Amino acid sequence: GENVEQHPSTLSVQEGDSAVIKCTYSDSASNYFPWYKQELGKRPQLIIDIRSNVGEKKDQRIAVTLNKTAKHFSLHITETQPEDSAVYFCAASISYSSASKIIFGSGTRLSIRP
Amino acid sequence: EAGVAQSPRYKIIEKRQSVAFWCNPISGHATLYWYQQILGQGPKLLIQFQNNGVVDDSQLPKDRFSAERLKGVDSTLKIQPAKLEDSAVYLCASSPTRTSQNLDEQYFGPGTRLTVT
Repeated sequence: GENVEQHPSTLSVQEGDSAVIKCTYSDSASNYFPWYKQELGKRPQLIIDIRSNVGEKKDQRIAVTLNKTAKHFSLHITETQPEDSAVYFCAASISYSSASKIIFGSGTRLSIRP
Repeated sequence: EAGVAQSPRYKIIEKRQSVAFWCNPISGHATLYWYQQILGQGPKLLIQFQNNGVVDDSQLPKDRFSAERLKGVDSTLKIQPAKLEDSAVYLCASSPTRTSQNLDEQYFGPGTRLTVT
């Protein structure tokens, strides 16, 4: 079945620096890759996503890249701020005609040092 | 628009007891998901409904877990009997009928934190 691996499990960066989180997936049929941010005790919130027909997508300080050949995708956060501290989950989804199945990575705990 | 509602928010039970969680998805959302999130891990899909039908329950421990969505709206997840390893946050999520515009986005509820002692 589908498997998603995420690295690193913890990441600490200086405020203002960039953070990069990487994920790999196993099922080449995966066609949708969302990223979720989960603050302590709160629900996962979608922050950005990318489809398999796109190589890169950017939204202000956040960008995602996708390499279909290598089956890996990455989250890039630039100019990090204290409020970026959270656990980030990547996911890979296989879409069927009317539904989709999503598998989450194990998460990266990002800490921003002031 | 109102979000996904879940209750209770917290539950503490002893092992071998039973527990039930309730979820009300966003109005009009056809697909409903139940996830188990163990501390320090990503959400793991337990069961997925499309309207009132089960799409995927391959990771649901069917000897003790059950779920239903009888009228295709709200859903109940039950554990009977509970084990210590069932301690986790149980997240419900919903998504609208998939179209080219909604990008399979899932909206999560606040979760129910279950502690089994």
